[in-house]
Amino acid sequence: DIVMTQSPDSLAVSLGERATINCKSSQNVLYSSDNKNYLAWYQQKPGQPPKLLFYWASTRDSGVPDRFSGSGSGTDFTLTITSLQAEDVAVYYCQQYYSTPRTFGQGTKLEIK
Amino acid sequence: EVQLVESGGGSVQPGGSLRLSCLASRFSFSQSWMTWVRQAPGKGLEWVANINTDESDKNYADSVKGRFTISRDNAKNSLYLQMNSLKVEDTAVYYCARGHFGMDIWGQGTTVTVSS
Repeated sequence: DIVMTQSPDSLAVSLGERATINCKSSQNVLYSSDNKNYLAWYQQKPGQPPKLLFYWASTRDSGVPDRFSGSGSGTDFTLTITSLQAEDVAVYYCQQYYSTPRTFGQGTKLEIK
Repeated sequence: EVQLVESGGGSVQPGGSLRLSCLASRFSFSQSWMTWVRQAPGKGLEWVANINTDESDKNYADSVKGRFTISRDNAKNSLYLQMNSLKVEDTAVYYCARGHFGMDIWGQGTTVTVSS
């Protein structure tokens, strides 16, 4: 199984500042035949189901604000939130869909400093 | 509005069974891969199982393999999860979600509690 490891486990950032969350996979999730990274990012607010933010590591899902960006390739990925807003408080998860089981990272809790 | 609505959760003793359902509306369910994801109380997300459009491809997490069965009825726009031999560690909110490469539609979840 591919193990997804996020860092940090929790993060406190001031409003208007940048937040960066990292995700590392134990195996390469870049599929050579299509040159796509089989990785997604999700946001989960308290009491709500997860919401898809990015797929193919950096393709923003519909309606996701452009202060969110996804980057990385191979085994190392980053979710960046520029200019943090109060509504961004949530737990963020990465997930690989390169192989089954389609494992998630343990989550990163983002709070306001 | 596109929607997924789960049902069938409840309390059950260890060793018991439950069948979860997920009703899809306002999108092409029959053309969508579907997934079950669970979340134990205060814990992260755990991928449970997924199924392709015609049920020819089903995949399971090792933690549920041999005990859970995913299925679907495209005529009823419904996804199912038959859960047998339930264990205390199966206690979680169970979400159904659409998608094969990133899950873009999620239900609100149904709670399963396994306790003696």
